Amino acid sequence: QQQVKQSPQSLIVQKGGISIINCAYENTAFDYFPWYQQFPGKGPALLIAIRPDVSEKKEGRFTISFNKSAKQFSLHIMDSQPGDSATYFCAASRPDSWGKLQFGAGTQVVVTP
Amino acid sequence: NAGVMQNPRHLVRRRGQEARLRCSPMKGHSHVYWYRQLPEEGLKFMVYLQKENIIDESGMPKERFSAEFPKEGPSILRIQQVVRGDSAAYFCASSGQGGNQPQHFGDGTRLSIL
Repeated sequence: QQQVKQSPQSLIVQKGGISIINCAYENTAFDYFPWYQQFPGKGPALLIAIRPDVSEKKEGRFTISFNKSAKQFSLHIMDSQPGDSATYFCAASRPDSWGKLQFGAGTQVVVTP
Repeated sequence: NAGVMQNPRHLVRRRGQEARLRCSPMKGHSHVYWYRQLPEEGLKFMVYLQKENIIDESGMPKERFSAEFPKEGPSILRIQQVVRGDSAAYFCASSGQGGNQPQHFGDGTRLSIL
């Protein structure tokens, strides 16, 4: 069963706009939530990660918002650029699972010029 | 290149043959994870290894699949008697420590079964 549910499946945004991707989880034991960016033919690249003791983390144009009570977290890409067109995956892991990541199904983001 | 290296990048096998996928972790990393990605899906954990030890193989099919990470050399994911359903992209990730630490991925091996 999918332990991390990701939406939307795909997203089209204009250059300069904001891309928002959402993830929800059920297992309250998760305590590490990374986001990965993947280009076609390449492996996932770690973008940004958050732990549940903070509600928001920002790195450049990328921001993670975390809502522990709702068991949801989201990725915001500000001022989206055509080079941001990629597939984005959220993931989660538990402290007792050796770092094993449970991935969402992915969101394909297309940024139009 | 100090990143995670996987080879081959593409591998074609006929049903019943064996597939061997190799992964050299980042320099200084001794923790290796293997994941499988089916088309249009997210990555699914298969196995976690440290040098000479399999720590967690809960995501790996019990039959035909095996993994190793010897003291010297790359980690190997081995699939015996491949079937069409094994067609997927297989990714390796490494980290400097186990647990919830950043995992760095290679560019994967695309396995196609004829």
